[in-house]
Amino acid sequence: KNQVEQSPQSLIILEGKNCTLQCNYTVSPFSNLRWYKQDTGRGPVSLTIMTFSENTKSNGRYTATLDADTKQSSLHITASQLSDSASYICVVSFPTSGTYKYIFGTGTRLKVLA
Amino acid sequence: NAGVTQTPKFRVLKTGQSMTLLCAQDMNHEYMYWYRQDPGMGLRLIHYSVGEGTTAKGEVPDGYNVSRLKKQNFLLGLESAAPSQTSVYFCASRRQASSYEQYFGPGTRLTVT
Repeated sequence: KNQVEQSPQSLIILEGKNCTLQCNYTVSPFSNLRWYKQDTGRGPVSLTIMTFSENTKSNGRYTATLDADTKQSSLHITASQLSDSASYICVVSFPTSGTYKYIFGTGTRLKVLA
Repeated sequence: NAGVTQTPKFRVLKTGQSMTLLCAQDMNHEYMYWYRQDPGMGLRLIHYSVGEGTTAKGEVPDGYNVSRLKKQNFLLGLESAAPSQTSVYFCASRRQASSYEQYFGPGTRLTVT
C-alpha cells in the first residue's frame, strides 16, 4: 500500500535553533517528492521538489534530502524563525493510469518559540 | 495573478442541505483537484480534472460531485450534506507535467450539523 509517514507529529523549538523533520514512504513507482509548508488557516505552499536522482535541495534556510534507496527524506530548517511555525507536509507523487497521483503525509506541526 | 481562489471561506450546513464550492484559477492550468483535510490525516483526493470538460474520481468521491465546464473553474457539489463531510476543503491546480507543483487555494471550512 502506498503510504507516507512523517515524524515527529509535533515539535517545539526555540527561535534560532535548527530542526530536522522526517518522511518515510512506501510509494512505488516514484516520480518526485515535495515538501510543503502550511500556515494555520492557509493552503499548503511548496518548499522543495526532489526527483529520484537528486539527494539534496535547498531553499533558503530549508534543506531537503532524499535517499531513494531507503525511501526516506528529511527537511532541515536552519536558524529557525517565529514565521517557521507551521505544518510541514511531505508529498510523494507516482504515475498511474496516464496521470500522476499524490500521497500526502499527515504533517509535522512545528512551533517556534521566542 | 490571484492564483487559486475558493468561495466561500466558511459555511455551516444542516444535514441534508446542498451546496456548491467554487474554485477558480487564473494560471491557465490544465489540472485541478479537490481535497479534504481532516485532523490527523493527510489531504485526501476527492475528485480531479485533467482538462476542461473532464472529471475523475479520487480516493474519497462518495457524496460529492464535480464539474469543470470552464478551464479556470472547478466546482465541488454536496447534494445532501452529512456530518461526516465536516472538513476543510482545498482546491489545487497545476500544469500538465508531474514536476510542476500544485498550487493550493486558501481552503473552505465546512461544518455540517
